Amino acid sequence: DAEITQSPRHKITETGRQVTLACHQTWNHNNMFWYRQDLGHGLRLIHYSYGVQDTNKGEVSDGYSVSRSNTEDLPLTLESAASSQTSVYFCASSDNSLNEQFFGPGTRLTVL
Amino acid sequence: QQPVQSPQAVILREGEDAVINCSSSKALYSVHWYRQKHGEAPVFLMILLKGGEQKGHEKISASFNEKKQQSSLYLTASQLSYSGTYFCGTDSGNTGKLIFGQGTTLQVKP
Repeated sequence: DAEITQSPRHKITETGRQVTLACHQTWNHNNMFWYRQDLGHGLRLIHYSYGVQDTNKGEVSDGYSVSRSNTEDLPLTLESAASSQTSVYFCASSDNSLNEQFFGPGTRLTVL
Repeated sequence: QQPVQSPQAVILREGEDAVINCSSSKALYSVHWYRQKHGEAPVFLMILLKGGEQKGHEKISASFNEKKQQSSLYLTASQLSYSGTYFCGTDSGNTGKLIFGQGTTLQVKP
């Protein structure tokens, strides 16, 4: 069965370190998205991609970057982790704008 | 601009009905509804498109008022399994990119 996975599921890191969160989908979807979820803010869009070599900034992109070298993967990099980036991160994918987004299980990131 | 959901929280008894509203300051192309249980990923419920088309689960109903830039999710004869946080996501231009509301927490008690 097709799926979307994220790794690691939990991560603790220190301020200033570079961190990369992985997202892998086997749906063969063109669209992929990264969100962060914090209490009281719901899901906020960080970056998104419509296909290979395409990346776009979302609402809260400062301090984050993504790259899309193939259809299946959209890794999210925190260049220099800050305590304000402590959050739960969800990756999602969809085949087009008229269909649902499938969400991964999430990564809980703690920056100390 | 983030859509505004109301109410923020609601508590129901099994069998009661609830309505969750989602209001946007921008014209909308589509509204998506998701439910998230504690510690889990959001799960798709429904998409409502400009022009009236809907896609989603048969047991969930919703409306989309394009002029008022609002959508409502109707939960009837609620069950314990309906408990969770409900999010609306709005797409203003058929981009596939969603801006989510802050969520409405629903608790259904026996």
